[in-house]
Amino acid sequence: AQSVTQPDIHITVSEGASLELRCNYSYGATPYLFWYVQSPGQGLQLLLKYFSGDTLVQGIKGFEAEFKRSQSSFNLRKPSVHWSDAAEYFCAVGINQAGTALIFGKGTTLSVSS
Amino acid sequence: KAGVTQTPRYLIKTRGQQVTLSCSPISGHRSVSWYQQTPGQGLQFLFEYFSETQRNKGNFPGRFSGRQFSNSRSEMNVSTLELGDSALYLCASSPSGTSGNAQFFGPGTRLTVL
Repeated sequence: AQSVTQPDIHITVSEGASLELRCNYSYGATPYLFWYVQSPGQGLQLLLKYFSGDTLVQGIKGFEAEFKRSQSSFNLRKPSVHWSDAAEYFCAVGINQAGTALIFGKGTTLSVSS
Repeated sequence: KAGVTQTPRYLIKTRGQQVTLSCSPISGHRSVSWYQQTPGQGLQFLFEYFSETQRNKGNFPGRFSGRQFSNSRSEMNVSTLELGDSALYLCASSPSGTSGNAQFFGPGTRLTVL
């Protein structure tokens, strides 16, 4: 069955430090992969997506993610975290070709300390 | 372009009642998907509509239904409400039915069942 695992429920990072959020997926075919961010009381905002091609994808707000098929992973990274990055982050896999039916991980809450 | 809009934003119902939530996609988007977000289960895919037809369906009971109109606006209905239906219901739209789409989410409707 398709699934997405985000092993870290909560991460705290110092402002200015680097960030890596982990995501592992289980999907039989070539996956469509996404990272979304949700701030308190807000809907989901797309950070980046992978459909094919270059395995390192760039997103908004300085985020990037790398698709590693051999590890079934799609980890999200940012070289220098800002206090405004504190939010909940969701990794998702699309289970249809159009990418319009998503299976989400449980999310990782990011706290940023000063 | 205006984003995805959802109405109402907040709703309180009692057990046994039914409820209808509305979603207006981004102009030009033809696909609308619905998700349920709860603290325990996280984000779960309900169903997707494209060109007025349900194209994909998640694992929810038949009490959850939806439809899409010719202008791509969508409604979802939950009949015989249960306490466990209390959740944030998110609607997402995307441009087309082909591959390579990303979804854009609305702010959600917060449903409380008493």
